[in-house]
Amino acid sequence: SYVLTQPPSVSVAPGQTAKITCGGNNIGTRSVHWYQQKPVQAPVLVVYDNTDRPSGIPERFSGSNFGNTATLTIARAEAGDEADYYCQVWDSSSDHVVFGGGTKLTVL
Amino acid sequence: EVQLVESGGGLVQPGGSLRLSCAASGFTFSSFWMSWVRQAPGKGLEWVANIKQDGSEKYYVDSVKGRFTISRDNAKSSLYLQMNNLRAEDTAVYYCSALGYSSSWHFRYWGQGTLVTVSS
Repeated sequence: SYVLTQPPSVSVAPGQTAKITCGGNNIGTRSVHWYQQKPVQAPVLVVYDNTDRPSGIPERFSGSNFGNTATLTIARAEAGDEADYYCQVWDSSSDHVVFGGGTKLTVL
Repeated sequence: EVQLVESGGGLVQPGGSLRLSCAASGFTFSSFWMSWVRQAPGKGLEWVANIKQDGSEKYYVDSVKGRFTISRDNAKSSLYLQMNNLRAEDTAVYYCSALGYSSSWHFRYWGQGTLVTVSS
């Protein structure tokens, strides 16, 4: 089955740019989606189809996907961005959903 | 405003059964694939099951096949998850989600979740 690999944690200073990676075999050929989950809250979709943002998501959130790595970039990081972030793909060969293990973003 | 409200969680003994419900509002429920996603305490997200708009297609993660059944009632804008032969490893918050699709499936809307605890 398809596996997505994320770093367990990423730290960023306020105002700087955070990059959260999601690794997978030829992931660049797939559409990757990203979710933000704050403590004791449900996940929220922040980027879909590699680069698109749902309405209401700040432009500071962007995505890219090339080769074996997809990346969620959060520009001008704020304390309110502290959360767990998950990448996700649809594995069409098995009709199964795959999530990455999640990355805890700390803004300090 | 889109709302997904789960209910039916609780404490159940190993081997027992539970039925989760999800009441949807604020969007055309019958037009969306729907899904259940779970999260064990302190762990990541795990997809559980999907169901097509008319209920004609259903997909499950291997660990719940044969034990869980996803269903829906479009007239009531409701999604269900019948869980049988529950195990300790099924302990999790269960989220109801409406799927979006453009280039591929993603979880567009989420409920707040309902906690299922399997323990003796």
